[in-house]
Amino acid sequence: NAGVTQTPKFQVLKTGQSMTLQCAQDMNHNSMYWYRQDPGMGLRLIYYSASEGTTDKGEVPNGYNVSRLNKREFSLRLESAAPSQTSVYFCASSSPGTGGYSNQPQHFGDGTRLSIL
Amino acid sequence: KNQVEQSPQSLIILEGKNCTLQCNYTVSPFSNLRWYKQDTGRGPVSLTIMTFSENTKSNGRYTATLDADTKQSSLHITASQLSDSASYICVVGGGSNYKLTFGKGTLLTVNP
Repeated sequence: NAGVTQTPKFQVLKTGQSMTLQCAQDMNHNSMYWYRQDPGMGLRLIYYSASEGTTDKGEVPNGYNVSRLNKREFSLRLESAAPSQTSVYFCASSSPGTGGYSNQPQHFGDGTRLSIL
Repeated sequence: KNQVEQSPQSLIILEGKNCTLQCNYTVSPFSNLRWYKQDTGRGPVSLTIMTFSENTKSNGRYTATLDADTKQSSLHITASQLSDSASYICVVGGGSNYKLTFGKGTLLTVNP
């Protein structure tokens, strides 16, 4: 059981280049998330998708777009990369469960380490 | 502004010893409090989730406590092992699974 799979694991971009970070989960979860983790800061939510066909902005959405391709896949796109977007990006998923959304753990992938020069 | 503060920032202990990590939060509304373990180079892994009505929850050698009145939580690790070396992140949920406030983490190093 792979859980949450992120590709690529590492990437170096030049300022202004674009790229898409891929995420797939095999746990049949409805909800998926994209976070960024920067040194000295807690994880911050970029975008989330409550269910297939819906996406919403999180705390730091500027400079990013997302696509919920199907129930399994949720991609994050940087249209014109900037050095401030150098970070580790984590995708996560969760199930609503019988207790409602708020009591379910989020399952994280191992991240994409992105450097923008 | 919702905030989660963790202490200490870092901690070094010897293998076999116990330790306690602290988390104070100012999050409203409050729904649940989570502890995650993050190994270097990996994604966070859930250890415990506690709701308002729960004041303790265990997962093996990990025991989390919650005092919703004082808005404090602790994570106690018993008989530490080298594999416990990681960052431990306190996360507070408010209202829905989408509204999570993450602490910066406590970096625990267990030495032989």
